Amino acid sequence: QKEVEQDPGPLSVPEGAIVSLNCTYSNSAFQYFMWYRQYSRKGPELLMYTYSSGNKEDGRFTAQVDKSSKYISLFIRDSQPSDSATYLCAMSPLSNTGKLIFGQGTTLQVKP
Amino acid sequence: EPEVTQTPSHQVTQMGQEVILRCVPISNHLYFYWYRQILGQKVEFLVSFYNNEISEKSEIFDDQFSVERPDGSNFTLKIRSTKLEDSAMYFCASRRNEQFFGPGTRLTVL
Repeated sequence: QKEVEQDPGPLSVPEGAIVSLNCTYSNSAFQYFMWYRQYSRKGPELLMYTYSSGNKEDGRFTAQVDKSSKYISLFIRDSQPSDSATYLCAMSPLSNTGKLIFGQGTTLQVKP
Repeated sequence: EPEVTQTPSHQVTQMGQEVILRCVPISNHLYFYWYRQILGQKVEFLVSFYNNEISEKSEIFDDQFSVERPDGSNFTLKIRSTKLEDSAMYFCASRRNEQFFGPGTRLTVL
């Protein structure tokens, strides 16, 4: 079983739709959970950062972590064409090194 | 807004040659990382660096790889004898709390 699994998509939605992106993981030691956005041939850009379980909201973005199910989600409300990108989940155990384990990434296309 | 920078943006080299990829982390960050992303694949951890020494490295980071922080601002990744399979995007990252990534160096080994 892979440490972090993420459906690669592609996911295509109309402008204004609510988008749900998800990752599952197998390592119960993961404590920090992140979502990054990556445009083609660019570096990952941090969107959301959460510690342990719960929800976090930032503008149109909401991150959810359910540690009991080993499942994390990113919701995008009122999606825009500029949201079209690859979304990467990443997670890290509680350790000083802070190395991130990434999912495969989900490619999202928001059509005008 | 401070950001991680990387040079060069694209490096082409012949198999067997040495390459040095350079990064300038965000100035008040304490932890530094290198990751790579082979085209179409996931981002993979290579190495983490803290207090002037490697704190963790992956199986990919073999004896052909080395990292250095030669001064107070630069952080470098050296690949001693490049192989075709080293062709990838290489990302530098730094963190105080959250981890921020640079734009990457695309390495092409011919």
